[in-house]
Amino acid sequence: EIVLTQSPGTLSLSPGERATLSCRASQSVSSSYLAWYQQKPGQAPRLLIYGASSRATGIPDRFSGSGSGTDFTLTISRLEPEDFAVYYCQQYGSSPSTFGQGTRLEIK
Amino acid sequence: EVQLVQSGAEVKKPGESLKISCKGSGYSFTSYWIGWVRQMPGKGLEWMGIIYPGDSDTRYSPSFQGQVTISADKSISTAYLQWSSLKASDTAMYYCVRQFAPLSSFDLWGRGTLVTVSS
Repeated sequence: EIVLTQSPGTLSLSPGERATLSCRASQSVSSSYLAWYQQKPGQAPRLLIYGASSRATGIPDRFSGSGSGTDFTLTISRLEPEDFAVYYCQQYGSSPSTFGQGTRLEIK
Repeated sequence: EVQLVQSGAEVKKPGESLKISCKGSGYSFTSYWIGWVRQMPGKGLEWMGIIYPGDSDTRYSPSFQGQVTISADKSISTAYLQWSSLKASDTAMYYCVRQFAPLSSFDLWGRGTLVTVSS
């Protein structure tokens, strides 16, 4: 199965700053079948990005995804207070689908 | 409203059986796959398996094959996840998710069912 490694484990930033989260796969993710999810405490995860770069319905355009092959990035252009959460990447190009271990984005 | 509504929290003893549910509404239940995702306390997300309610085609992650059973009743738009003999290590939050295809992202999530297994 494909192992996804996210970095950093924790990212400390201030509102208004730019956040860059990384997700690296142990082998190439076919057809860029890579998604990003946001999870806030006590809530279910929410789909942000699918197909590596397509925003899900209702997701603000400050969220963007990029990458292909084994290296993918989630960028939040200007952090809002509600963006501080845990972010997971997921590959769904081969079975079983797998997730990264998560990046915690915290307020500095 | 398009949603997945999960059954309530459960507290069970080791060795007991359990079946939790996930009811879809606001969309064509038989046109999408329903998957299950485990999140152990303080940990990340693990995909367990999926079912296509239209024909009950079911697929499991190798990590969960033989450990759980996924089923669905399309007449009541409900999917299920069941255990025949729970272990303490099954303590976790379980989410059901909607998938357009076996290899697709999860565009809709239930709120989760917390299962606690303790003697």
